[in-house]
Amino acid sequence: EPEVTQTPSHQVTQMGQEVILRCVPISNHLYFYWYRQILGQKVEFLVSFYNNEISEKSEIFDDQFSVERPDGSNFTLKIRSTKLEDSAMYFCASSYTSGGPYEQYFGPGTRLTVT
Amino acid sequence: DAKTTQPPSMDCAEGRAANLPCNHSTISGNEYVYWYRQIHSQGPQYIIHGLKNNETNEMASLIITEDRKSSTLILPHATLRDTAVYYCATNNFGNEKLTFGTGTRLTIIP
Repeated sequence: EPEVTQTPSHQVTQMGQEVILRCVPISNHLYFYWYRQILGQKVEFLVSFYNNEISEKSEIFDDQFSVERPDGSNFTLKIRSTKLEDSAMYFCASSYTSGGPYEQYFGPGTRLTVT
Repeated sequence: DAKTTQPPSMDCAEGRAANLPCNHSTISGNEYVYWYRQIHSQGPQYIIHGLKNNETNEMASLIITEDRKSSTLILPHATLRDTAVYYCATNNFGNEKLTFGTGTRLTIIP
């Protein structure tokens, strides 16, 4: 069964450093997402991406964040200057199309620890 | 986007039906109800979704009230592997983001 993959599984970085989280969505999917989950809290939407551009973003997704699909398979989330409060699990998801009724498939996540 | 509320935790005996409620009283007419579950800190796993009709698949059943202000996820014969946090979420047709609730931690008891 096809699945979303993410690398690395765990990233430790110092405050102020740049990090890039990588995702390989399911191959025939057209819509890509990033969500985050701070420890003990609910899953929160960050951004959605379609046709090589951002289609929606939350207020969390400020100028420190960017997304890119550099080739036909990878989808990346970059945090330019990490803050302590960026420590969280980051989940990539993909779907064949947007909105209801199509389900989003999530990857296993990258645990980001900012020290 | 509709806010969802769920009980923080529930227990269910193995082999019995687990009924997980979700309140979404502010849901709009074009918002779908989705259910996902999360085992440990793994990525959320899709279970089922619906708009206004009851739905059933190989994993679960979804019962949505006629006024659509609440729904219930039913796991018909719970097993120990169903122990997880279950999230109710909403999604606007044509809008990509899933808005998750705070989840219910379901513990299946042997």
